[in-house]
Amino acid sequence: DGGITQSPKYLFRKEGQNVTLSCEQNLNHDAMYWYRQDPGQGLRLIYYSQIVNDFQKGDIAEGYSVSREKKESFPLTVTSAQKNPTAFYLCASSIVPLGTEAFFGQGTRLTVV
Amino acid sequence: AQSVTQLDSQVPVFEEAPVELRCNYSSSVSVYLFWYVQYPNQGLQLLLKYLSGSTLVKGINGFEAEFNKSQTSFHLRKPSVHISDTAEYFCAVGPLIKAAGNKLTFGGGTRVLVKP
Repeated sequence: DGGITQSPKYLFRKEGQNVTLSCEQNLNHDAMYWYRQDPGQGLRLIYYSQIVNDFQKGDIAEGYSVSREKKESFPLTVTSAQKNPTAFYLCASSIVPLGTEAFFGQGTRLTVV
Repeated sequence: AQSVTQLDSQVPVFEEAPVELRCNYSSSVSVYLFWYVQYPNQGLQLLLKYLSGSTLVKGINGFEAEFNKSQTSFHLRKPSVHISDTAEYFCAVGPLIKAAGNKLTFGGGTRVLVKP
């Protein structure tokens, strides 16, 4: 079945640690996105990539980093510079033409302990 | 830049009653619009989308939405809700300009609680 796989589903991080969230898609989509979801704030864009080896900052990129070495994969690293990392993180992908919908993974819930 | 306002953060509704979720947006360019649904601890699932053409859009699970350009609104409706419609609903807009890619701006979400 085609889709987007995020792992792990739950992740606990100690303060000061970097953690990497995995996102893999087998939909052959060129574009991939990372969103952060906090209660009452909807989804906010962290980073997006429209092609391999290229990515752009979204609205809240500070404290995060990404890579896009393969079309299928778009991992997100939450660094120790992110002051409030506890949130639900959603990865999405789409084809590039405008107006096409994004398909979402099941999310990773990150908690700082 | 775009912004999306979902006017109700929570909407309680009785089973088999109608429901309307309100979404207003602002944008300096033409947009395309979506409604997504999110069940607890899951990702988002597309309900419907508007790109062009008829302003009344029908989606999955009996939902429909109407695009009103003059009022910059895209309200979601369902004539009769079920318990299984309990979820959070998100309105999203994307600018119809190539340079922006498919970046979406989301509203804050409306939590629908269907009561028996």
